[in-house]
Amino acid sequence: GESVGLHLPTLSVQEGDNSIINCAYSNSASDYFIWYKQESGKGPQFIIDIRSNMDKRQGQRVTVLLNKTVKHLSLQIAATQPGDSAVYFCAEDPPGGGNKLTFGTGTQLKVEL
Amino acid sequence: GAVVSQHPSWVICKSGTSVKIECRSLDFQATTMFWYRQFPKQSLMLMATSNEGSKATYEQGVEKDKFLINHASLTLSTLTVTSAHPEDSSFYICSATGGKDYEQYFGPGTRLTVT
Repeated sequence: GESVGLHLPTLSVQEGDNSIINCAYSNSASDYFIWYKQESGKGPQFIIDIRSNMDKRQGQRVTVLLNKTVKHLSLQIAATQPGDSAVYFCAEDPPGGGNKLTFGTGTQLKVEL
Repeated sequence: GAVVSQHPSWVICKSGTSVKIECRSLDFQATTMFWYRQFPKQSLMLMATSNEGSKATYEQGVEKDKFLINHASLTLSTLTVTSAHPEDSSFYICSATGGKDYEQYFGPGTRLTVT
């Protein structure tokens, strides 16, 4: 999961296993959440999003779960592949923020062969 | 899909000089562009929000006279780092909204190294 500070949490998984990356968000009024993937030296890449009126959303090999009670977001990646190795960030879009996103601290996903 | 480009992709400059970074939306009109800074192994920190034709709004702690932002057209925003110092060395990323939805589309980033 994500934590405050300079240390980037790392999740190591075996190729083919499922990955679960967690995120705690800060604003209980946030109504839109996004997961991004960032490869080394590149900009963030949109993976999946979810609105606060939902608690689960599925994409291709990815699922996002939202628990508003405890302000928790998770990203599940099925059958993790080497190409999934990257840093994953959650971001929240608080209401009235003019689309300004607040990013979490990120989790480094390492896929071992 | 919506594409955002940045130029240059990397730049090295000497301390005390200024450097300009461009952010372009290639296939849509960006009503709003955002500038982020990212230090190694850290998250993206929003520096400023830029709306076409108006002054940028800076986040707390970001010096507006040091990081000059110009959003002169619906497809171009520029960030100028003035009187750069080694501590300004970072990865600068822009994003843009204004396509069919309000999703933020991110550029590939610019690596700035100040020597």
